Amino acid sequence: KQEVTQIPAALSVPEGENLVLNCSFTDSAIYNLQWFRQDPGKGLTSLLLIQSSQREQTSGRLNASLDKSSGRSTLYIAASQPGDSATYLCAVKDYGGAQKLVFGQGTRLTINP
Amino acid sequence: NAGVTQTPKFQVLKTGQSMTLQCAQDMNHEYMSWYRQDPGMGLRLIHYSVGAGITDQGEVPNGYNVSRSTTEDFPLRLLSAAPSQTSVYFCASRAGGELFFGEGSRLTVL
Repeated sequence: KQEVTQIPAALSVPEGENLVLNCSFTDSAIYNLQWFRQDPGKGLTSLLLIQSSQREQTSGRLNASLDKSSGRSTLYIAASQPGDSATYLCAVKDYGGAQKLVFGQGTRLTINP
Repeated sequence: NAGVTQTPKFQVLKTGQSMTLQCAQDMNHEYMSWYRQDPGMGLRLIHYSVGAGITDQGEVPNGYNVSRSTTEDFPLRLLSAAPSQTSVYFCASRAGGELFFGEGSRLTVL
């Protein structure tokens, strides 16, 4: 059974720092991995989608990497801003008939001005 | 382009009452799904649909019914609400592997 873990559960950094959020998964046979952002009381916003054949994806100040062999993905945020404060979740989709994404618990990120 | 739209945003029910959470998407996505989000439990899949007329159970389907008569709409029905169904419910649709979520419906069952 696939399990997804995000550590730490919460992270607080000063504005301007570069930071890395971690996501690990137990079964490396994944179809894709997706990073989301969730603001308090809101839905999930898709940030980056990495297919199993890809090593990384970039969007603006965000870069996500995928290492299937070690069961890890990282989300790199460059030059953090207070507006980046949110909960970040990763989710993996397995191969086969399963249609669900398995979500991590998320990392609550606070960027201090 | 509204994306995925959920109604209502907030609802309070008494135990045993029934209600329907509405979900509509205007992106012509074949795949739609319902998740619930609970503290400490993360997001869990309730039901999903791969196209009009086709639905299937997810991880936590008990107490919920769905139907998919059109590509656009995927309502979630609670036939007899229980306090354990107090949660935030998210509808999502998918294209090309990427999942798009609605804003959520916060349900409280007393």
